[in-house]
Amino acid sequence: DQQVKQNSPSLSVQEGRISILNCDYTNSMFDYFLWYKKYPAEGPTFLISISSIKDKNEDGRFTVFLNKSAKHLSLHIVPSQPGDSAVYFCAASAGGTSGTYKYIFGTGTRLKVLA
Amino acid sequence: KAGVTQTPRYLIKTRGQQVTLSCSPISGHRSVSWYQQTPGQGLQFLFEYFSETQRNKGNFPGRFSGRQFSNSRSEMNVSTLELGDSALYLCASSSGQDVIWGKLFFGSGTQLSVL
Repeated sequence: DQQVKQNSPSLSVQEGRISILNCDYTNSMFDYFLWYKKYPAEGPTFLISISSIKDKNEDGRFTVFLNKSAKHLSLHIVPSQPGDSAVYFCAASAGGTSGTYKYIFGTGTRLKVLA
Repeated sequence: KAGVTQTPRYLIKTRGQQVTLSCSPISGHRSVSWYQQTPGQGLQFLFEYFSETQRNKGNFPGRFSGRQFSNSRSEMNVSTLELGDSALYLCASSSGQDVIWGKLFFGSGTQLSVL
């Protein structure tokens, strides 16, 4: 039962354009969401987060949008740079409401930014 | 501030053997989580420890076990290794508060190959 889904295994974008990575979830108890970036042979690095009381959070070139009614979140990277080429994971937690201490991760989307 | 340290970086074992992986969290962090990453499966939650107590456990067989010491260092043990246990094992630390509200800080992982 995959509660967090990233349906696009890969995405290619031209440098300078917008990258949009999508993530869907099924558990309505999830109340906190994160995006991580992972380079080969390294651990995931935290990018940006959003709680369920918001619908948008921005940090520099990265913006995360949350649509609770559709159970969908997306990560926008503008403008995309070659150094953004990596695997991106979304993750969700119900920790705030149920006191659980774990994140459910999607399967990842490999982003390639073409110079 | 030193990051999360995982040892060893690579391991090769044969079926039936057992293995112990080690994780040293960021200084001051009391929560340690373990995840298994396999191609196409994303990061699967194994367990989480806080102040030497396991607070949550994922859906893995009993061959997978862990513990946390008083200095917050954690070990993960896999007994009777199977071919399907080949994966990247990632450890993440958090202050404890952050597990609920956001960031996990990941180590570079231990790549386990079972032959």
